[in-house]
Amino acid sequence: KQEVTQIPAALSVPEGENLVLNCSFTDSAIYNLQWFRQDPGKGLTSLLLIQSSQREQTSGRLNASLDKSSGRSTLYIAASQPGDSATYLCAVGSDYKLSFGAGTTVTVRA
Amino acid sequence: DAGVIQSPRHEVTEMGQEVTLRCKPISGHDYLFWYRQTMMRGLELLIYFNNNVPIDDSGMPEDRFSAKMPNASFSTLKIQPSEPRDSAVYFCASSPVAWENIQYFGAGTRLSVL
Repeated sequence: KQEVTQIPAALSVPEGENLVLNCSFTDSAIYNLQWFRQDPGKGLTSLLLIQSSQREQTSGRLNASLDKSSGRSTLYIAASQPGDSATYLCAVGSDYKLSFGAGTTVTVRA
Repeated sequence: DAGVIQSPRHEVTEMGQEVTLRCKPISGHDYLFWYRQTMMRGLELLIYFNNNVPIDDSGMPEDRFSAKMPNASFSTLKIQPSEPRDSAVYFCASSPVAWENIQYFGAGTRLSVL
């Protein structure tokens, strides 16, 4: 069974700092990996999708890397803003399913 | 498209009562997923359907839980009888192609069983 771990569980930074969120998974036989954002009381919004053959994906201030062999992914958010405050979830796709980590709750202080 | 629509957004009920959660997937999506999110266990896949047929229900916690998809535009998740430990946020997601794992999530139903 795929186990997904996210570290740290919570993170608080001043505005302007870069954010680094980590995700690890136990089974490297994956189709892809996604990073989602979840705001309080809301659903999940997909931020980035990395296929298993890719090493990274970028969208604006967001960059996600994937090292399938070591079972790790990192989400970088450059020049953080208060609007980036949310919970970020890592999800590993395999066998037609998504396995989620517990998330990292980010607070960006103005 | 309005996205995945779930109803109700909030449900408060008493232990022992039947609860029905509803989901309307994005039109044209052949796959539908039901998830449960709790503080203790995070997001867990309960069941998923392909073309209205249940494919994997191994995540359904107990016989008290059942899910149906009578047509391509509607699915229900029923809990009967409900218990306080069922309190959670239940999400529905749909996908055009499951193997790509690109799923679109609804806003969720927050269930409180007293």
